[in-house]
Amino acid sequence: GNSVTQMEGPVTLSEEAFLTINCTYTATGYPSLFWYVQYPGEGLQLLLKATKADDKGSNKGFEATYRKETTSFHLEKGSVQVSDSAVYFCALSDMDTGRRALTFGSGTRLQVQP
Amino acid sequence: DTGVSQDPRHKITKRGQNVTFRCDPISEHNRLYWYRQTLGQGPEFLTYFQNEAQLEKSRLLSDRFSAERPKGSFSTLEIQRTEQGDSAMYLCASSFGQAGGTDTQYFGPGTRLTVL
Repeated sequence: GNSVTQMEGPVTLSEEAFLTINCTYTATGYPSLFWYVQYPGEGLQLLLKATKADDKGSNKGFEATYRKETTSFHLEKGSVQVSDSAVYFCALSDMDTGRRALTFGSGTRLQVQP
Repeated sequence: DTGVSQDPRHKITKRGQNVTFRCDPISEHNRLYWYRQTLGQGPEFLTYFQNEAQLEKSRLLSDRFSAERPKGSFSTLEIQRTEQGDSAMYLCASSFGQAGGTDTQYFGPGTRLTVL
């Protein structure tokens, strides 16, 4: 079956530090990959996505590259801000198997200190 | 575009009672999904509708759970004879999808259920 594994949190960084949140996946077919973010007290928001190998998704300074050879989709940001403090979820959908539902990782909490 | 809305935002009930949640998707979105999220975990898929047809159900959706989308617009999720293990955040998402493509799901704020 499909699964997503994320690094455990919390990840605590100082403002302007470099961020990497690791995400690896297993999938039966050729999935699309997503990062969602959940700010405190708010719902899940799509941060970025990639639908094929070597695609780079980017938004709000965050980037992630679809690496088929390593089955990974790591999230990066060059300089984090306090406002980036949130829980980040990696997810996939596997259209090859006809499953439109998203399979999520368990989430990684990011805490950015001023 | 007002986003996905869910009602109520919070529900406290006693074990054995029935509860019903409502989800209003983004207008013109033909696909609607229900997920459940417990503390410290990612959302888990429950069920999915395309227009009014329920196309997929997770094994998590026991026979105490039922979902409907009668006119292909809003959806309801009912839990009968609630158990303490049903306590969770219930999330609704919608998308506009076409055959063969990858659609992007937009999530509502969720309904937090507490079963006492």
